[in-house]
Amino acid sequence: EADIYQTPRYLVIGTGKKITLECSQTMGHDKMYWYQQDPGMELHLIHYSYGVNSTEKGDLSSESTVSRIRTEHFPLTLESARPSHTSQYLCASSEESEQYFGPGTRLTVT
Amino acid sequence: RKEVEQDPGPFNVPEGATVAFNCTYSNSASQSFFWYRQDCRKEPKLLMSVYSSGNEDGRFTAQLNRASQYISLLIRDSKLSDSATYLCVVTSYNQGGKLIFGQGTELSVKP
Repeated sequence: EADIYQTPRYLVIGTGKKITLECSQTMGHDKMYWYQQDPGMELHLIHYSYGVNSTEKGDLSSESTVSRIRTEHFPLTLESARPSHTSQYLCASSEESEQYFGPGTRLTVT
Repeated sequence: RKEVEQDPGPFNVPEGATVAFNCTYSNSASQSFFWYRQDCRKEPKLLMSVYSSGNEDGRFTAQLNRASQYISLLIRDSKLSDSATYLCVVTSYNQGGKLIFGQGTELSVKP
């Protein structure tokens, strides 16, 4: 079983609020990823990191930002949440090709 | 054209049926291939890697055809618990090893 955690699991928040979605892993993986997935739709990569102080934007443009100050921690921040940000956000990490996913954060912006 | 394309679903099959999923990829530099399983409202989990020689894990068989850029997953004697969305996944050196996910094929196994 993979040791990758996300908090909160569910978040309902009002428009304009700043939010940070937490992701941490205890496997010592250098590579970490954030995906966005709407119900019944495919996964879209929005950010990734290949190590400390390394972050890149993914294939889907996102208004969120990420940081990687520690190997085990890869938080995602939305400065001003909007209803269009309502989605599920999945964090993953990998050492080689296989990615291990966290349980996800289901975000609803009202 | 999407980089990874899968059979459109959903597949509705009775228990005990054999079902096959197909997947094609467009990047000839792809080097690693996987099938992931995603249950409703859950995170994806690795089902199996796909090797050039083909590989089997119990009731599941995965095949890779590099010449045709085609991957398949066969599920024999399907169970109710096999109901999920199956994701075809590809990585490429020239994309930094990122996973490229297909849109998924939904399987529903009925009693």
